[in-house]
Amino acid sequence: AAGVIQSPRHLIKEKRETATLKCYPIPRHDTVYWYQQGPGQDPQFLISFYEKMQSDKGSIPDRFSAQQFSDYHSELNMSSLELGDSALYFCASSPGRSSYNEQFFGPGTRLTVL
Amino acid sequence: AQKITQTQPGMFVQEKEAVTLDCTYDTSDPSYGLFWYKQPSSGEMIFLIYQGSYDQQNATEGRYSLNFQKARKSANLVISASQLGDSAMYFCAMREGWGGSEKLVFGKGTKLTVNP
Repeated sequence: AAGVIQSPRHLIKEKRETATLKCYPIPRHDTVYWYQQGPGQDPQFLISFYEKMQSDKGSIPDRFSAQQFSDYHSELNMSSLELGDSALYFCASSPGRSSYNEQFFGPGTRLTVL
Repeated sequence: AQKITQTQPGMFVQEKEAVTLDCTYDTSDPSYGLFWYKQPSSGEMIFLIYQGSYDQQNATEGRYSLNFQKARKSANLVISASQLGDSAMYFCAMREGWGGSEKLVFGKGTKLTVNP
């Protein structure tokens, strides 16, 4: 079965650089979520999209922006990177917005900021 | 206040024995979903089991079962016949409401070590 695809899987950037993470949801899933998991931490919700519109927002820094495109893939853009942005970034997708719908996680993008 | 509390930072179990990982939650919303995810050292988040707030029966998925006690607001994960491959971090998470705040809120996790 098709899963959530994230690219790249690993990314190394310098401070103050920009990074773009991509997420391709499971086919026919219209809802995408982004989570950030720092070292030894639990995942923290950043932002979500439903039918290409932002549907919820969490603790996402102003330096970060995201969008969902017409083909439902999503991109997380991160500017002015800081050391503290080093984390595992997960994208998850879901077939709708119900609390009863499982969120399927991608393998994550491991971002290292030097 | 913590929405999801996992009080066991680490747990040890012998291979082939059963283990219970604790999770308590806090919500005033009558409609919510509770999830357990496994995160091995490789990093991926693997869905294990789901319990809806209106489900009458405890959820089961193979060797995983969820001991759902609604009045106590607890949703403990029971792993039967532990295997070495079960060694991982386990996260309890909750979603609240219908089409409202859809995010998953995670607990701090429990690191399970299965000993041979």
